[in-house]
Amino acid sequence: DIQLTQSPSFLSAFVGDRVTITCRASQGISTYLAWYQQKSGKAPKLLIYSASTLQSGVPSRFSGSGSGTQFTLTISSLQPEDFATYYCQHIDSYPLTFGGGTKVEIK
Amino acid sequence: EVQLVESGGGLVQPGGSLRLSCAASGFSVSNTYINWVRQAPGKGLEWVSIIYSSGSTYYADSVKGRFTISRDNSKNTLYLQMNSLRPDDTAIYYCAKGWVVGAKAWFDPWGQGTLVIVSS
Repeated sequence: DIQLTQSPSFLSAFVGDRVTITCRASQGISTYLAWYQQKSGKAPKLLIYSASTLQSGVPSRFSGSGSGTQFTLTISSLQPEDFATYYCQHIDSYPLTFGGGTKVEIK
Repeated sequence: EVQLVESGGGLVQPGGSLRLSCAASGFSVSNTYINWVRQAPGKGLEWVSIIYSSGSTYYADSVKGRFTISRDNSKNTLYLQMNSLRPDDTAIYYCAKGWVVGAKAWFDPWGQGTLVIVSS
């Protein structure tokens, strides 16, 4: 099974800060990686797919990069509504797996 | 508008069974991939199962042999039959539509979830 390791598991930042979350795969998954945002009490929402493609309607301050085993999600200028937990997910092979999540707190 | 609405959650005793439903609108369940994903209280996301438009299915090892995914095209509804339930199956269960790009399907959108509690 492919394991996804996210870091950090928690981060606190100011509005306007640039924030980067990392996801490392236990084996190469090409660009078969997505990022989801989950706000408290809500269902997850697809932000980025194919490692770097922004889903329609998602603000351009979100971006993704990487391939193989190393991936990053960047929020260029953190906004108050970005308070949430972020998950990476691979769809390379079964079983599909998610990273452990990164909780983002606004200072 | 594409929408998914889960139902069927509730309290069940260990060893019991439950069937979850995911009613779809705005698209046909027979034409795409649909997944079940769960989230234990305060924990992360765990993929559970997928059904392809062809009818092929895949399961996480943690539920294989106990859970069955199926669909009723006439009702445009997806199901998850859960048997031999254990306390560690306690979670919010989400269905998520496969959003196909090339040969792969991402999860978009998701339903609001239904809570399953396995406890005596």
